[in-house]
Amino acid sequence: DSGVTQTPKHLITATGQRVTLRCSPRSGDLSVYWYQQSLDQGLQFLIQYYNGEERAKGNILERFSAQQFPDLHSELNLSSLELGDSALYFCASSPGWGLEETQYFGPGTRLLVL
Amino acid sequence: GENVEQHPSTLSVQEGDSAVIKCTYSDSASNYFPWYKQELGKGPQLIIDIRSNVGEKKDQRIAVTLNKTAKHFSLHITETQPEDSAVYFCAALPGNRDDKIIFGKGTRLHILP
Repeated sequence: DSGVTQTPKHLITATGQRVTLRCSPRSGDLSVYWYQQSLDQGLQFLIQYYNGEERAKGNILERFSAQQFPDLHSELNLSSLELGDSALYFCASSPGWGLEETQYFGPGTRLLVL
Repeated sequence: GENVEQHPSTLSVQEGDSAVIKCTYSDSASNYFPWYKQELGKGPQLIIDIRSNVGEKKDQRIAVTLNKTAKHFSLHITETQPEDSAVYFCAALPGNRDDKIIFGKGTRLHILP
């Protein structure tokens, strides 16, 4: 158990809909990272927040947005969902802000868009 | 931008033998190379990493080597055990801090009894 929690574990929705994925980092970690894992694209870094502020941006689509709240939990919002958005979404956390820090991954949220 | 190629995509080795997974990267400014292990139904877990100022790093049965000139790095697992069966990902972090970490496509390692 990494100490990172993600909810929900599974999510099934329809095209065009909007969903919110939630992540609670390990106690004391200030950085939260979001990743997408799909069969065709592999594991892709989406975005990083550090202590409430956006720190680094990866392959995050404009339809997707994220934020980190004062209690350090984070939410990833996916809107206007398409079939291709079906994937595993992982959250990770680390104590500091550097991308080279050890990141602890949560168990993931499996999203299925029908 | 950075591109990371990982080979092989699948690897089967006899228990007790060694396994080697190789990755190449394109951006010579990349300076950090982590390896992750992902077991079925779980998130990736960092198992070892290496920075560009080091050629080799070992941690018990796991080692990583880096050849900056050739722009490739490898994961070596010795005395493989059944619990080593998993998907392994390499990654590279470009030197430009505004850039993003790039992962290889993964290697599924099967340890045969």
